[in-house]
Amino acid sequence: SYELTQPPSVSVSPGQTARITCSGDALTKQYAYWYHQKPGQAPVLVIYKDTERPSGIPERFSGSTSGTTVTLTISGVQAEDEADYYCQSGDSSGPVVFGGGTKLTVL
Amino acid sequence: QVTLRESGPALVKPTQTLTLTCTFSGFSLSTMGMCMSWIRQPPGKALEWLARIDWDDDKYYSTSLKTRLTISKDTSKNQVVLTMTNMDPVDTATYYCARMNIDGPAYALDHWGQGTLVTVSS
Repeated sequence: SYELTQPPSVSVSPGQTARITCSGDALTKQYAYWYHQKPGQAPVLVIYKDTERPSGIPERFSGSTSGTTVTLTISGVQAEDEADYYCQSGDSSGPVVFGGGTKLTVL
Repeated sequence: QVTLRESGPALVKPTQTLTLTCTFSGFSLSTMGMCMSWIRQPPGKALEWLARIDWDDDKYYSTSLKTRLTISKDTSKNQVVLTMTNMDPVDTATYYCARMNIDGPAYALDHWGQGTLVTVSS
């Protein structure tokens, strides 16, 4: 199976832009998906198919892709965005893979 | 409104078999494109995907755990069941079920249960 690599932590001040990367060879062939997870809660989907935002997710969340790396960008970070963020990929072949997670700290 | 809820024992002994049930509403697993996955998360650690079952009964398993896992569905009851054999303390985790809607956000897990904590200890 393949791997997805994320930085363990990212720190930003309120109002700044946070960028969280996810790298893996499979991302050239499969879409990426992003979740945030707050302590004691289930993950919540924030980006699907690399760049699409589910209804109800604020516009400050966006996704982009370049080669083997996808990026989750949070513009104008708010204190409530502090959470763990996970990337994920998968396709019709079956297996689902998660990245190791990134802890976003809002200073 | 889509809802999912995991149920099962909170405590199992080493070597025992764990059986977890996900009961869902708001959609049918017999609808083309619908899939269900199980995911777990040890305390303080990352998410780990375990298994997936599709509307057409195709099944997929984590490579590292496939010999211990079985996933099944009961469409009439709106339930998906995961069994994991030979439980070990390292299997202590919160276990989640989650839905995929291939015809919607593709292979995203767009709805999750609240999770159930399973502790493996003698």
